[in-house]
Amino acid sequence: KAGVTQTPRYLIKTRGQQVTLSCSPISGHRSVSWYQQTPGQGLQFLFEYFSETQRNKGNFPGRFSGRQFSNSRSEMNVSTLELGDSALYLCASRVETNQPQHFGDGTRLSIL
Amino acid sequence: AQSVTQPDIHITVSEGASLELRCNYSYGATPYLFWYVQSPGQGLQLLLKYFSGDTLVQGIKGFEAEFKRSQSSFNLRKPSVHWSDAAEYFCAVGPPGLAGNTPLVFGKGTRLSVIA
Repeated sequence: KAGVTQTPRYLIKTRGQQVTLSCSPISGHRSVSWYQQTPGQGLQFLFEYFSETQRNKGNFPGRFSGRQFSNSRSEMNVSTLELGDSALYLCASRVETNQPQHFGDGTRLSIL
Repeated sequence: AQSVTQPDIHITVSEGASLELRCNYSYGATPYLFWYVQSPGQGLQLLLKYFSGDTLVQGIKGFEAEFKRSQSSFNLRKPSVHWSDAAEYFCAVGPPGLAGNTPLVFGKGTRLSVIA
């Protein structure tokens, strides 16, 4: 069974640009969560989608948004990029609420 | 508020030595507990989980963890460390049943170095 797939693996952007990251969950998993990982703040929860609905949102500005499609694939968008948005963005999926999450390898976003 | 504390930022052990990584949590009820491992350039891999029942849980790669309710701890152990175990380890907690809209809370991680 294929794992969680995140594309692209690496991205370089400049301040002010916007970016879209993609996540394909494990087949049959309906929940997708996004996390930001930085050396200083560790793993911080961005949001979770379940059956195309945002179920929970972390404490991030409105520049961070996401969506989930009917096939459970999810995208995350960050607009007006800032230097502080440089991070590893991790996607995790799970089949049901009461099951553990499985993570992808992440997208490394660098802002110049 | 829920929180997870991993007191050790960095631990160095010799190959073949035993390992214990500490995790303490603050939660209103007995949470679901997890240990994840992250190798450089990779995502997080689930090592083991505790939901209920036997307080000593076995995971992959020879790891085990013990839940101690009285100490609010969920420490990770391995009897003999291999060089390939060098990685970052994260403890995480979630609500019982992982119910509702509460996401997992992660500790800051413990970086494990293994020396010959």
